[in-house]
Amino acid sequence: GAVVSQHPSWVICKSGTSVKIECRSLDFQATTMFWYRQFPKQSLMLMATSNEGSKATYEQGVEKDKFLINHASLTLSTLTVTSAHPEDSSFYICSARQTGGGKAFFGQGTRLTVV
Amino acid sequence: LAKTTQPISMDSYEGQEVNITCSHNNIATNDYITWYQQFPSQGPRFIIQGYKTKVTNEVASLFIPADRKSSTLSLPRVSLSDTAVYYCLVGDLAGTASKLTFGTGTRLQVTL
Repeated sequence: GAVVSQHPSWVICKSGTSVKIECRSLDFQATTMFWYRQFPKQSLMLMATSNEGSKATYEQGVEKDKFLINHASLTLSTLTVTSAHPEDSSFYICSARQTGGGKAFFGQGTRLTVV
Repeated sequence: LAKTTQPISMDSYEGQEVNITCSHNNIATNDYITWYQQFPSQGPRFIIQGYKTKVTNEVASLFIPADRKSSTLSLPRVSLSDTAVYYCLVGDLAGTASKLTFGTGTRLQVTL
């Protein structure tokens, strides 16, 4: 299947700093990418949907100024957690859907720990 | 968006066939049904996708009745490594605005 690479796999940062997570579709173009967060033993919660070249659409309750999403190219989307706090510690997962629709493929996830 | 309902958990012994059913009563005409598998601390992995009747690949089969209000993922002869959470998603693949929303998933535990 298609490959979606997420980087970094894990990151530890100090409270108040910002962290950027990258999501790349390696062998296909992705017009649409999704960002999720997942807490232990829970399902994936959709945070936002990003379309290449346009502003992301955030789910209700997700602060767009805190979770900055940039989808500048058909193969790269980034999620920046700004002014991170311990409650932002979670597992963040991206997904990319092929241009024109079709299956969505997921990155391996990023474990963020804010201390 | 079609909401999905799955059993929270299932247990099986190694070597048995496991069938996980997902209900999606308000599935739309353009919606496809997709199943993903997730291991701890990993992103979901695509298993199988279908629109109607039966789809089979090297790892699983997907059965979809004529009314498409439910679907069943069938895993033949499971092994310990099949212990994971399985998610059923329903959505319009062609619509770029179509969101991928996860339900609770089914936690499958395979034992000897």
